[in-house]
Amino acid sequence: DVKVTQSSRYLVKRTGEKVFLECVQDMDHENMFWYRQDPGLGLRLIYFSYDVKMKEKGDIPEGYSVSREKKERFSLILESASTNQTSMYLCASSLSGIKRGNTEAFFGQGTRLTVV
Amino acid sequence: SQQGEEDPQALSIQEGENATMNCSYKTSINNLQWYRQNSGRGLVHLILIRSNEREKHSGRLRVTLDTSKKSSSLLITASRAADTASYFCATGYKLSFGAGTTVTVRA
Repeated sequence: DVKVTQSSRYLVKRTGEKVFLECVQDMDHENMFWYRQDPGLGLRLIYFSYDVKMKEKGDIPEGYSVSREKKERFSLILESASTNQTSMYLCASSLSGIKRGNTEAFFGQGTRLTVV
Repeated sequence: SQQGEEDPQALSIQEGENATMNCSYKTSINNLQWYRQNSGRGLVHLILIRSNEREKHSGRLRVTLDTSKKSSSLLITASRAADTASYFCATGYKLSFGAGTTVTVRA
């Protein structure tokens, strides 16, 4: 079974802190995604990566950056955490590359981040 | 911007009834996917339908796709309490999701 693992289930950080959310997948998937989920807004894409060191902005990249130095790991970075970044963060991975369209995505269990 | 939009936002049905939800999208697609999310958990893939397919079945799930109307529907037949969840459609290589339909199945 494909496994997508997010480093923390719950996280509490202070305003202004630099926050790292880590995601690791074990199936050699090319695509990896970071979403945030807020009540009534569904999943909004923050960043997408289709290969090592390759990334594209999603719908709401402001205040976030990402790093993909190895194929299996995709990190989301909050440069200076703010209270409006309190949310559920979901990581996902899928097999197909950018030119072949997407296939089934596998999700981690989510990280509920609270910024105080 | 979000590609898919689900309708209705919420649905409450009796166990054993069918549940139907719809998804509309904006641009041309290669495929459309449906996912389920149980409360507070990650999403689970249910079914993928390609742009050249009109209907697809998986167990109690039936998905239709009308590319001329840029819409898809998900039908859950003979619903069970365990079907209580949020359902999302997703499209595009960046896997864009809508806001989802929350389904509650009453015993």
